[in-house]
Amino acid sequence: EDQVTQSPEALRLQEGESSSLNCSYTVSGLRGLFWYRQDPGKGPEFLFTLYSAGEEKEKERLKATLTKKESFLHITAPKPEDSATYLCAVQANSGYSTLTFGKGTMLLVSP
Amino acid sequence: EAGVAQSPRYKIIEKRQSVAFWCNPISGHATLYWYQQILGQGPKLLIQFQNNGVVDDSQLPKDRFSAERLKGVDSTLKIQPAKLEDSAVYLCASSSERSGETQYFGPGTRLLVL
Repeated sequence: EDQVTQSPEALRLQEGESSSLNCSYTVSGLRGLFWYRQDPGKGPEFLFTLYSAGEEKEKERLKATLTKKESFLHITAPKPEDSATYLCAVQANSGYSTLTFGKGTMLLVSP
Repeated sequence: EAGVAQSPRYKIIEKRQSVAFWCNPISGHATLYWYQQILGQGPKLLIQFQNNGVVDDSQLPKDRFSAERLKGVDSTLKIQPAKLEDSAVYLCASSSERSGETQYFGPGTRLLVL
């Protein structure tokens, strides 16, 4: 059974204080690892897809990296508008395009 | 490009009542998904459609939940009868081969069962 564990559950940062969110996974053959951002009262918003170990992707202050067992979402010099819940999900090679999600990391950036 | 549309946005019902949710996917997206997201949890897949056929409904509580996708476009998800534990956000998502099967989500319907 595919599993995704995210840590920490919640993280509070000061504006400009860089940090990383962790996503550990077990999957029977990884097709893709996805990061989404979810604001309160809204649906998840797609950020990145990573396909193979060593791959990195960047978008503004966010950078996602992937190893064979985990992914990191690095947040550089965060701003209050980066406050949200960040969800990680894996898609297995077998079966359909089903995503298995973690519980998310709730990030709060204070000014 | 218009995103995934869902309605209603909020619904409050009493237990044992029935409720239905509607989803209109991104134009041209062949695959449609319904997820349940309980407070503090990640989304959990309920059912996946490829055009108007079901490809995965292994986690759908079929004694009370049903879903259909007519003409391979819009979809409805129904709960009958509702239980207290069905209180959650119901998310609809869609994807296509052109989008690399990346799933794009709607705003969700927030259901409270009293």
